[in-house]
Amino acid sequence: AQKVTQAQTEISVVEKEDVTLDCVYETRDTTYYLFWYKQPPSGELVFLIRRNSFDEQNEISGRYSWNFQKSTSSFNFTITASQVVDSAVYFCALSEAKDNNAGNMLTFGGGTRLMVKP
Amino acid sequence: DGGITQSPKYLFRKEGQNVTLSCEQNLNHDAMYWYRQDPGQGLRLIYYSQIVNDFQKGDIAEGYSVSREKKESFPLTVTSAQKNPTAFYLCASSISGTANSPLHFGNGTRLTVT
Repeated sequence: AQKVTQAQTEISVVEKEDVTLDCVYETRDTTYYLFWYKQPPSGELVFLIRRNSFDEQNEISGRYSWNFQKSTSSFNFTITASQVVDSAVYFCALSEAKDNNAGNMLTFGGGTRLMVKP
Repeated sequence: DGGITQSPKYLFRKEGQNVTLSCEQNLNHDAMYWYRQDPGQGLRLIYYSQIVNDFQKGDIAEGYSVSREKKESFPLTVTSAQKNPTAFYLCASSISGTANSPLHFGNGTRLTVT
């Protein structure tokens, strides 16, 4: 069965600090997809990134970067020079492609609440 | 603007009453989903639908029911059989039901049952 673990339940940093959110996953499938979502106080989840299991290239988007390592089953998310607006709950999620037409059955981690203080 | 609309934002009900949560999307997405979020926890899938007039149970479907009569709409009924209905409910949609399709979420409905 698939599983996603976000061991950090809460992280507090001061503005401009760098912060890394950890995500470890378990799956028996060889083809799978990893996602990160942001949930601001307003409640809706905002899609940030998708990675497939065959693409281990790290990705950078502005202050955001993602490090995918299959060897350690991790997909970590780093925010550089954090800002108050980054305060939110961040979720890592996994979907397996074994039955690609069975709906996107995302398994979510428990989330990490990031608080960025001015 | 395209998006997913959930209403109402807050809902209060007495124990023993059924309640229906609305979810409408104008993204022309085929697949729709309902998730439940409890404090400090991740999201758990209740039901999903890949096509009109078809839907499947997720991990925690007991005590819930859905319908998908129109592509745009996927209402969720929380029945009196649901033992712990107080939670934050999120509706989502995706272009297709494939594993690589990102989900787009609504703003959620916070249900409180007393």
